[in-house]
Amino acid sequence: AQSVTQLGSHVSVSEGALVLLRCNYSSSVPPYLFWYVQYPNQGLQLLLKYTSAATLVKGINGFEAEFKKSETSFHLTKPSAHMSDAAEYFCAVSVPSGTYKYIFGTGTRLKVLA
Amino acid sequence: DSGVTQTPKHLITATGQRVTLRCSPRSGDLSVYWYQQSLDQGLQFLIHYYNGEERAKGNILERFSAQQFPDLHSELNLSSLELGDSALYFCASSVRPSTDTQYFGPGTRLTVL
Repeated sequence: AQSVTQLGSHVSVSEGALVLLRCNYSSSVPPYLFWYVQYPNQGLQLLLKYTSAATLVKGINGFEAEFKKSETSFHLTKPSAHMSDAAEYFCAVSVPSGTYKYIFGTGTRLKVLA
Repeated sequence: DSGVTQTPKHLITATGQRVTLRCSPRSGDLSVYWYQQSLDQGLQFLIHYYNGEERAKGNILERFSAQQFPDLHSELNLSSLELGDSALYFCASSVRPSTDTQYFGPGTRLTVL
């Protein structure tokens, strides 16, 4: 069975600083990995996804993530944080199987300090 | 706007009652997923339907049931409600039941008093 772990339920960064949100996964077969963002009082929105093509995936709003099989990680980064990046971020894993379903991490709330 | 609609936006009801949440997927999407989001449990997958058939079940209680209709809209029925059922319920849709991107609706906030 697959699972995903997000390290750090809360992360604070200064505006303009590097954003690093950590995600580690577990899967017995090659997984597909996703990062979603949730702004206050809204549904989740896809930031980016890894589907076994390039290991460095670029998403919206300047975010990117790198799939590292040896480390079973899919960390999300952004070179320079903006106030509008303050939100909750969810990592998710899924595998192509008959009983396909997404497994979401517990989320990381990003706070951006002025 | 994701193209997924959910009604109602807010729902307040009492313990022991039954409610129905409705979801209309994006045009062309055949898969519908239901999730529950609460402060203590996080985002939990409940159930997945594809083209009218149940495809996967997650942490869905026996008091909860869902269905997807021929026009592809879906309903989540919650019965014998308890205080702990208070949560945000999200519906998401995708084209296929695989690893396609899921598009989330704005959610229904359920409050059980």
